[in-house]
Amino acid sequence: SQTIHQWPATLVQPVGSPLSLECTVEGTSNPNLYWYRQAAGRGLQLLFYSVGIGQISSEVPQNLSASRPQDRQFILSSKKLLLSDSGFYLCAWSPRPEEKLFFGSGTQLSVL
Amino acid sequence: AQTVTQSQPEMSVQEAETVTLSCTYDTSESNYYLFWYKQPPSRQMILVIRQEAYKQQNATENRFSVNFQKAAKSFSLKISDSQLGDTAMYFCAPRRYSGGGADGLTFGKGTHLIIQP
Repeated sequence: SQTIHQWPATLVQPVGSPLSLECTVEGTSNPNLYWYRQAAGRGLQLLFYSVGIGQISSEVPQNLSASRPQDRQFILSSKKLLLSDSGFYLCAWSPRPEEKLFFGSGTQLSVL
Repeated sequence: AQTVTQSQPEMSVQEAETVTLSCTYDTSESNYYLFWYKQPPSRQMILVIRQEAYKQQNATENRFSVNFQKAAKSFSLKISDSQLGDTAMYFCAPRRYSGGGADGLTFGKGTHLIIQP
């Protein structure tokens, strides 16, 4: 069966520090991969998606970037965090466009 | 771009009651999919139900059912015999099919549903 791993669960970082969140999927190949951010008490905002290795599409201009160095690995990064980068980050994957998204357990990022 | 409106920020009902959560969306697509996700206090996103826009029959999944009105672009979720474990944020999310639909789901702002004992 397929599983998605996302870590860390919680992260506290100072303003201006770098960021690296990692997400991996097991049990499938060539998944569509997604990074979402959820601000406190709000809905999910799509940040990046990827349909293949090295292929990244950005939905919102921001301080963040994403990379897909391997088929089932998706990384969210920042060179210098801002206070506004705080939030709950969710990684997700889907096997086909019409299929549902399977979500990871999320990372709560607090930038202080 | 798709927009999603969930007009009820919060709802509270008694256990065993039936509750309906509303969702309207705006899309220029003719073929798409619609999803309801729940997010309990654990914050794990869980699929509740899925509907294909080309199907006239409303989807059902145990106590959960939808009222899909394509012309009105409305996709409401009905929860029957509500249980304490249904307490969660509920998000409506359309997904377009054209272009491979690879750009994922567009989420509404959510409805916080509270089931009272």
